[in-house]
Amino acid sequence: AQKITQTQPGMFVQEKEAVTLDCTYDTSDPSYGLFWYKQPSSGEMIFLIYQGSYDQQNATEGRYSLNFQKARKSANLVISASQLGDSAMYFCAMNSDYKLSFGAGTTVTVRA
Amino acid sequence: NAGVTQTPKFQVLKTGQSMTLQCAQDMNHEYMSWYRQDPGMGLRLIHYSVGAGITDQGEVPNGYNVSRSTTEDFPLRLLSAAPSQTSVYFCASSSTGTVNQPQHFGDGTRLSIL
Repeated sequence: AQKITQTQPGMFVQEKEAVTLDCTYDTSDPSYGLFWYKQPSSGEMIFLIYQGSYDQQNATEGRYSLNFQKARKSANLVISASQLGDSAMYFCAMNSDYKLSFGAGTTVTVRA
Repeated sequence: NAGVTQTPKFQVLKTGQSMTLQCAQDMNHEYMSWYRQDPGMGLRLIHYSVGAGITDQGEVPNGYNVSRSTTEDFPLRLLSAAPSQTSVYFCASSSTGTVNQPQHFGDGTRLSIL
């Protein structure tokens, strides 16, 4: 079974600062995809960013970037220039063999 | 664009009752899946389907049944509801389910079993 670990249950960040959310994963499959999703208090799941296991460069999407360290099996999400609207739960997930596995999530609270 | 539509949004059942959670997508996606989300935990895969007529078990399939007779619909059936099945249920879809495709999620169904 695939395992995704997010060790930070909650984090506080000052508006306009950057925050890094940790994610480690465990798999023996050579081909997999790593994803980050945002879940605001309204409950919907919003896709943020994707990184493939064979990608050589770290993924970026606007203010989101993924720090992919394959040898360490980590896929940390960096949110730059935090905004109040970034306050939400963030989930790291891995797709392997048609199955998507999620971490327990990190709650981010942005302070004005 | 409707995307992934789940009905109902809320439901309260008594222990032992059965019900079907509906999921429909209008993106012509081959891959569909069901997850449950419990407090303090991430989403866990219940069942998934890579195309019409094909279903397979995920991490927590016990107590749930699925079928996929059309590309658009992927209903989830609770055969005999138990309090342990109280959860928020999400349906999701992607084009083919391969590792590089993000899944698009419905808004969820909040289910309470008394």
